[in-house]
Amino acid sequence: DAKTTQPNSMESNEEEPVHLPCNHSTISGTDYIHWYRQLPSQGPEYVIHGLTSNVNNRMASLAIAEDRKSSTLILHRATLRDAAVYYCILRGNYGGSQGNLIFGKGTKLSVKP
Amino acid sequence: GAGVSQSPSNKVTEKGKDVELRCDPISGHTALYWYRQSLGQGLEFLIYFQGNSAPDKSGLPSDRFSAERTGGSVSTLTIQRTQQEDSAVYLCASSFDRSHEQYFGPGTRLTVT
Repeated sequence: DAKTTQPNSMESNEEEPVHLPCNHSTISGTDYIHWYRQLPSQGPEYVIHGLTSNVNNRMASLAIAEDRKSSTLILHRATLRDAAVYYCILRGNYGGSQGNLIFGKGTKLSVKP
Repeated sequence: GAGVSQSPSNKVTEKGKDVELRCDPISGHTALYWYRQSLGQGLEFLIYFQGNSAPDKSGLPSDRFSAERTGGSVSTLTIQRTQQEDSAVYLCASSFDRSHEQYFGPGTRLTVT
């Protein structure tokens, strides 16, 4: 399985931008980069995903390196509600088990008021 | 609209008993997934259903675990002869189809005493 590497934890101040890094040096050409987050005592929540180009949605932005070996999830203005574990996941073609989400340990983001 | 629901929210059972966990996916979602999350750990994929196709059972940890999805909607995860190591939060997710983002339920916390 393609693997990702994320820092165990990060801290941010409220209302400041947050850049969450993810390394995936063994990514294959058909792997999508997915981000989910899990707030305390809740199920995971989809954040964003992309293949090659940078992506923006109402929750966050995803910046993908040109060689696709790393990516960064950007929260433009952190709020206390953004404190969660953020998972960076590579998802292969949607046939067979490669289409399943394989969750690692993620990055625990703390937001200080 | 209604999200993914799971019942019960908490279940305490004695070692050796059988348990059934229920998942109601979002209406219209053809894909349904079960995961489990042990204390302080990441999510572990268990099983995946897609429409009327044979399920992907590659994540089930032992033959004590089984799951059904009736009528392409509600799913039940059954654990027979529960063991203490089965204690975890069991999460269900659904998606429009395999290629779309997954929406997670709140989970069932299973405690085996």
